Amino acid sequence: AQSVAQPEDQVNVAEGNPLTVKCTYSVSGNPYLFWYVQYPNRGLQFLLKYITGDNLVKGSYGFEAEFNKSQTSFHLKKPSALVSDSALYFCAVRDAGGSYIPTFGRGTSLIVHP
Amino acid sequence: GAVVSQHPSRVICKSGTSVKIECRSLDFQATTMFWYRQFPKQSLMLMATSNEGSKATYEQGVEKDKFLINHASLTLSTLTVTSAHPEDSSFYICSAPRAFNEKLFFGSGTQLSVL
Repeated sequence: AQSVAQPEDQVNVAEGNPLTVKCTYSVSGNPYLFWYVQYPNRGLQFLLKYITGDNLVKGSYGFEAEFNKSQTSFHLKKPSALVSDSALYFCAVRDAGGSYIPTFGRGTSLIVHP
Repeated sequence: GAVVSQHPSRVICKSGTSVKIECRSLDFQATTMFWYRQFPKQSLMLMATSNEGSKATYEQGVEKDKFLINHASLTLSTLTVTSAHPEDSSFYICSAPRAFNEKLFFGSGTQLSVL
């Protein structure tokens, strides 16, 4: 079985400050990990993914995430938040040797204050 | 990049009518498409997986006779909400992977409001 947890419903950060959106996962085998962003009344947009290789993954719009196998985490980060980063963020996981259907976290609402 | 087009973006219908939502992969062939339902400020609930040329696989608790899915070609999957009721009002999103290990490409979603 595969699962993903986003422990925070909402993250608030001031513009210009660093941001972190947390994600932990559980899979039987090796994980494929993804971050997506959703703006109001829109579909999801891909930000970044970890399949294999470097633990630090860089993605769109200045976001990055670090794969930590020992902590089974894949936290999303950005050094300097923008008001336009305010959106709903979803972490997703699938087991490399299991189902091809990804499991999504419940989402974290990021609010960046001017 | 790959694009998934979903139509309509918004639909308002009367209770008892049927509504069809289309999801097209514009520049790649999608043998598999996923249909999700999303309530306000909540996560995605996978409803079903549609497979080109075969029957869709529905998640537990999703009525297959209520939510008809057809994947007649490699670029088109449709979701028909039959005899819609107000409780079916929701945001419906489709997605497709371009390849097996690929990220998902999402449609822009359909906001269904049943009066």
